Amino acid sequence: EAGVAQSPRYKIIEKRQSVAFWCNPISGHATLYWYQQILGQGPKLLIQFQNNGVVDDSQLPKDRFSAERLKGVDSTLKIQPAKLEDSAVYLCASSLVATPYNEQFFGPGTRLTVL
Amino acid sequence: AQSVSQHNHHVILSEAASLELGCNYSYGGTVNLFWYVQYPGQHLQLLLKYFSGDPLVKGIKGFEAEFIKSKFSFNLRKPSVQWSDTAEYFCAVNANSGGYQKVTFGTGTKLQVIP
Repeated sequence: EAGVAQSPRYKIIEKRQSVAFWCNPISGHATLYWYQQILGQGPKLLIQFQNNGVVDDSQLPKDRFSAERLKGVDSTLKIQPAKLEDSAVYLCASSLVATPYNEQFFGPGTRLTVL
Repeated sequence: AQSVSQHNHHVILSEAASLELGCNYSYGGTVNLFWYVQYPGQHLQLLLKYFSGDPLVKGIKGFEAEFIKSKFSFNLRKPSVQWSDTAEYFCAVNANSGGYQKVTFGTGTKLQVIP
């Protein structure tokens, strides 16, 4: 079974620029998560989708971050404009459904550096 | 709001030594508990999980964890570590928040095993 795919793997931008990340979850997984992992910290949930609807975006900085999941499959996370403190690894994960009994499968992440 | 504390940020052990990584959580209701591992250059992956029943759960590669409800703890153990256990370990709590399941990760513990 193919895993969670993410691209790009690395991105370097200057502050105030825009950036977008893409995630393709495991086929059939209804729930998709975006996490931000700052160096030295654990992953922090930014947004959770169930199919193409948002379940939780309470920790998403909505003034600059946006995410969508069209057709309940692929998802994109955008930052516009980026700030220095957005430098982090952005992880995408998916699970069959949003219950605690379903394991989350993580992608390799996108490492963002904002200069 | 739920929170997770991992007290050991960096642990160095010699091969064959015993391992115990601490994890404490803060949440008054029913929780589901996880340990995830990230080997160098690899994705986050599930090591073990607790939902209910026997508080001593066994995971992959000889790891186990014990849920002690009275102490709000879910410590990870392994009797004899190997060099290949060198990785970063994350404790996570899944609890009901506002009608949906929310996962909170700890800050992680980096384990270095010296041959």
